Amino acid sequence: TQLLEQSPQFLSIQEGENLTVYCNSSSVFSSLQWYRQEPGEGPVLLVTVVTGGEVKKLKRLTFQFGDARKDSSLHITAAQPGDTGLYLCAGRLILWYSGGGADGLTFGKGTHLIIQP
Amino acid sequence: EAQVTQNPRYLITVTGKKLTVTCSQNMNHEYMSWYRQDPGLGLRQIYYSMNVEVTDKGDVPEGYKVSRKEKRNFPLILESPSPNQTSLYFCATSPGQGRSRYGYTFGSGTRLTVV
Repeated sequence: TQLLEQSPQFLSIQEGENLTVYCNSSSVFSSLQWYRQEPGEGPVLLVTVVTGGEVKKLKRLTFQFGDARKDSSLHITAAQPGDTGLYLCAGRLILWYSGGGADGLTFGKGTHLIIQP
Repeated sequence: EAQVTQNPRYLITVTGKKLTVTCSQNMNHEYMSWYRQDPGLGLRQIYYSMNVEVTDKGDVPEGYKVSRKEKRNFPLILESPSPNQTSLYFCATSPGQGRSRYGYTFGSGTRLTVV
């Protein structure tokens, strides 16, 4: 079973500050995905990174996949109160073998982010 | 509108009474999966299906059953629910078989309480 260590678990900062969330593993993943989840709702996909070293930007959010495809980071610039929420990283591992395959997401435990006005 | 529909959203039941949580998708996705989310443990995979009539165990399959008789539906069955199955359950889908660059689309969740 693969493990994803996500840090920090909780983060409360002031509006306008920058922050970085880290996701680390000893396992290599086929891809690394980031989700955001609101209370009582299902996770919503933010981005998928596939290639080692890949960087993707989504407005003020920057996502990076480590060169060895074992770790990832989410950086938020000039955080806004609307960024408040639970952020989840998830590694997708796809394996093919004779007669079938295996495919699933391993989730980190999440980062509870609060941006105070 | 592309969506994953779970029913019911909330359910309170008693120990041992069989129940089914339904999941339906309208995106023609081949891959479907069930997760449970618990405080301090995060999201864990219960079962998944890479195509019709193909299902496999995830990390926490004990006490659950699934079936995939048609592409759009993937019900989760609890034959004899126990209190340790009280949790928030999510169905998720993804296009294609083993296409790593695609993310998952999650349903809105089913909050199950077993007393």
